[in-house]
Amino acid sequence: ETGVTQSPTHLIKTRGQQVTLRCSSQSGHNTVSWYQQALGQGPQFIFQYYREEENGRGNFPPRFSGLQFPNYSSELNVNALELDDSALYLCASSLGGATETQYFGPGTRLLVL
Amino acid sequence: AQSVTQLDSQVPVFEEAPVELRCNYSSSVSVYLFWYVQYPNQGLQLLLKYLSGSTLVESINGFEAEFNKSQTSFHLRKPSVHISDTAEYFCAVRTSGGYQKVTFGIGTKLQVIP
Repeated sequence: ETGVTQSPTHLIKTRGQQVTLRCSSQSGHNTVSWYQQALGQGPQFIFQYYREEENGRGNFPPRFSGLQFPNYSSELNVNALELDDSALYLCASSLGGATETQYFGPGTRLLVL
Repeated sequence: AQSVTQLDSQVPVFEEAPVELRCNYSSSVSVYLFWYVQYPNQGLQLLLKYLSGSTLVESINGFEAEFNKSQTSFHLRKPSVHISDTAEYFCAVRTSGGYQKVTFGIGTKLQVIP
């Protein structure tokens, strides 16, 4: 059984650019959540996808968008990058259901210059 | 809306000494509670969770946490820490209904001193 994987591991972009981060869910998991973890902070919930539909969103602007594919892998897209978008981006996969455990990937560290 | 407060940003402790990492939460509805551990340059790993039933939950590596509804707390304890326990620990809460949004605390850095 493979765990949650994310790519790339590190990324450097400049302000105003766009970025796409990728996440492969653990086998059999149909739910994926994305979190932003700024330096010295706890992770902040961005949004969640269940069976290819967004079913929950945190306090992030619309320039943060996502996709979930039929194989339940996922993308996080961020447009018009700002310096404050520099952070570790974590995805977590799980089965649907309120009691299911989320399993986190190692994260993608994004630096915006 | 729910929130989590971790009262200590850093906790230094000598090896083999006991430790308690404090966590309080706020929510108007029933919640599930979690502790995650993050080692340097890694993602989060689930340490233990409370969903229902016994208020005392244990992990496989000797940590335990007790859900106290009246005090809205979920403190993490270990009777004897090891160097390998050095990491950042995050308390988290999720409402028992709806989608799986997890709200995390700011984290507590546990530094075990040899």
